[in-house]
Amino acid sequence: KQEVTQIPAALSVPEGENLVLNCSFTDSAIYNLQWFRQDPGKGLTSLLLIQSSQREQTSGRLNASLDKSSGRSTLYIAASQPGDSATYLCAVSVMNSNSGYALNFGKGTSLLVTP
Amino acid sequence: DGGITQSPKYLFRKEGQNVTLSCEQNLNHDAMYWYRQDPGQGLRLIYYSQIVNDFQKGDIAEGYSVSREKKESFPLTVTSAQKNPTAFYLCASSIGTGYTFGSGTRLTVV
Repeated sequence: KQEVTQIPAALSVPEGENLVLNCSFTDSAIYNLQWFRQDPGKGLTSLLLIQSSQREQTSGRLNASLDKSSGRSTLYIAASQPGDSATYLCAVSVMNSNSGYALNFGKGTSLLVTP
Repeated sequence: DGGITQSPKYLFRKEGQNVTLSCEQNLNHDAMYWYRQDPGQGLRLIYYSQIVNDFQKGDIAEGYSVSREKKESFPLTVTSAQKNPTAFYLCASSIGTGYTFGSGTRLTVV
């Protein structure tokens, strides 16, 4: 069974710092990897989607990389802001004949950016 | 605007009761999913449906039931057999690999 691990579980940084969130997965036979953001008591917002054939994706101050062979992904946040404070979830998608592209989630990294 | 609507936002259940969580989407997505989120546990898959009138159990289906009579709707019933139902429930839909999530329902047993 695919296991997804996120490190660190929690992170506190001062505003303006660049930071890296880590995600690892045990089975490299993934279809894609997604990073989501979740604010307290809210649903998930998709940030970046990396197909298995891609190495990275960028959106504004966010950059996500994927090394499928080593089972690792990183989410890089540049020039962090207090509004970036949220929980960041990593999920890998595997193709299953019954469940389609079911997502396997990590437990998340809780980020706090202080002014 | 297209999206997923979950209702209610908060739900309270007494011991022994069944409750139903609503999930409606207007994205014309074929696939729909229910996830459960507990503190420190991440999201776990309860049930999923690829097409109307068909659904499959996920990793933690015991104590739950679903129906998929319409493409737009995928309600989840939490039965009295679910011994620890207090959690945050998220509904999602997808077409291909693009997922959209609802805003969630927080269920509390009183």
